[in-house]
Amino acid sequence: ELKVEQNPLFLSMQEGKNYTIYCNYSTTSDRLYWYRQDPGKSLESLFVLLSNGAVKQEGRLMASLDTKARLSTLHITAAVHDLSATYFCAVDSQFKGSQGNLIFGKGTKLSVKP
Amino acid sequence: DTEVTQTPKHLVMGMTNKKSLKCEQHMGHRAMYWYKQKAKKPPELMFVYSYEKLSINESVPSRFSPECPNSSLLNLHLHALQPEDSALYLCASSQDGVRTETQYFGPGTRLLVL
Repeated sequence: ELKVEQNPLFLSMQEGKNYTIYCNYSTTSDRLYWYRQDPGKSLESLFVLLSNGAVKQEGRLMASLDTKARLSTLHITAAVHDLSATYFCAVDSQFKGSQGNLIFGKGTKLSVKP
Repeated sequence: DTEVTQTPKHLVMGMTNKKSLKCEQHMGHRAMYWYKQKAKKPPELMFVYSYEKLSINESVPSRFSPECPNSSLLNLHLHALQPEDSALYLCASSQDGVRTETQYFGPGTRLLVL
């Protein structure tokens, strides 16, 4: 059974600081996704990582994937208040070999304070 | 247009009621999904439709009945729900039913069962 673990689950940062969220998963997968969710809102796709060594950047967020270590990181550079949200990583379990089945981590609730 | 729409936004129902949730997308996607998200928890997959056929049912109780009338529309029929079924119900769609690409999520229906 695929398990996805994120840490930390809660992160309080000061504006301007850097930090990294980690996502570990338990079985082989070649696809990993990062989503953002604001309180009471739906999920917004941030990154899709499709191969070992993949790195993607958007603004102050950068995501990377190491399939050998079964680890993805979401790095936040010079945090600003607008980044406050819950961030989920999700792994495609390739359920039954056909359709994907996203298994989500528990989420990291990020709070950026002045 | 990368929008998935869901109606209603909010729904309050009694345990003896029958109601339906509706999801629509016009991106030409052929895979559609229902997720359930309890407060402060990650989304959990309920059903997957691929090319209008049910391909994944994650052991969901029969009081939840999905329906995919066409490739753009996905319904979730609710009957005799329990208070513990109160949650945010998210619909998502993706490009095709074979390989999971990015799933685009709708805004969700917040359901309260009294």
